Amino acid sequence: DAGVIQSPRHEVTEMGQEVTLRCKPISGHDYLFWYRQTMMRGLELLIYFNNNVPIDDSGMPEDRFSAKMPNASFSTLKIQPSEPRDSAVYFCASTPRGAGNYGYTFGSGTRLTVV
Amino acid sequence: GNSVTQMEGPVTLSEEAFLTINCTYTATGYPSLFWYVQYPGEGLQLLLKATKADDKGSNKGFEATYRKETTSFHLEKGSVQVSDSAVYFCALTGANSKLTFGKGITLSVRP
Repeated sequence: DAGVIQSPRHEVTEMGQEVTLRCKPISGHDYLFWYRQTMMRGLELLIYFNNNVPIDDSGMPEDRFSAKMPNASFSTLKIQPSEPRDSAVYFCASTPRGAGNYGYTFGSGTRLTVV
Repeated sequence: GNSVTQMEGPVTLSEEAFLTINCTYTATGYPSLFWYVQYPGEGLQLLLKATKADDKGSNKGFEATYRKETTSFHLEKGSVQVSDSAVYFCALTGANSKLTFGKGITLSVRP
């Protein structure tokens, strides 16, 4: 398996622009998670899905952030409009049912810079 | 709620030194415990895990034992290498397969 695949690896955009981050989880994994990592705040869980359904989006910072999972093999995280404080590394992770036995598999992340 | 506390960093060691990174947790029920490692510019990778009390997880020379009586899961390695320089995260699972992470600690190993 190719693992969790994220694209793009790097994104530089201007303030106010829309940004879309993409994630392909491992086939057969029921859960998908979006995290944000910054030096100041560490790893933050933004939202997670179970069987394509959003379960907990309490970590989404504001209405500018939205996430979708239209099918089991694809998810997007969208920021509209983007702001400089959104600059971070965004990770996607997936796990089969029962993360207690398997843990998560993380993608390589998307480094977002908003100028 | 669940929480993970890691020792403050960063940690700098010479090659071949002994490593201990402390991790304690607070959780309801019987969580599984994990150590993740993040090398520069990469995502997090699962290093080792333990799913029940007294289990020992091990990988790449690293070990950690699930101590329920002290609610701890300290990471150890007998002889670190320069290639072990990375950020290390302790984590536990709670309800709904959610992982709770510690803040992470940066390890730098000098030649």
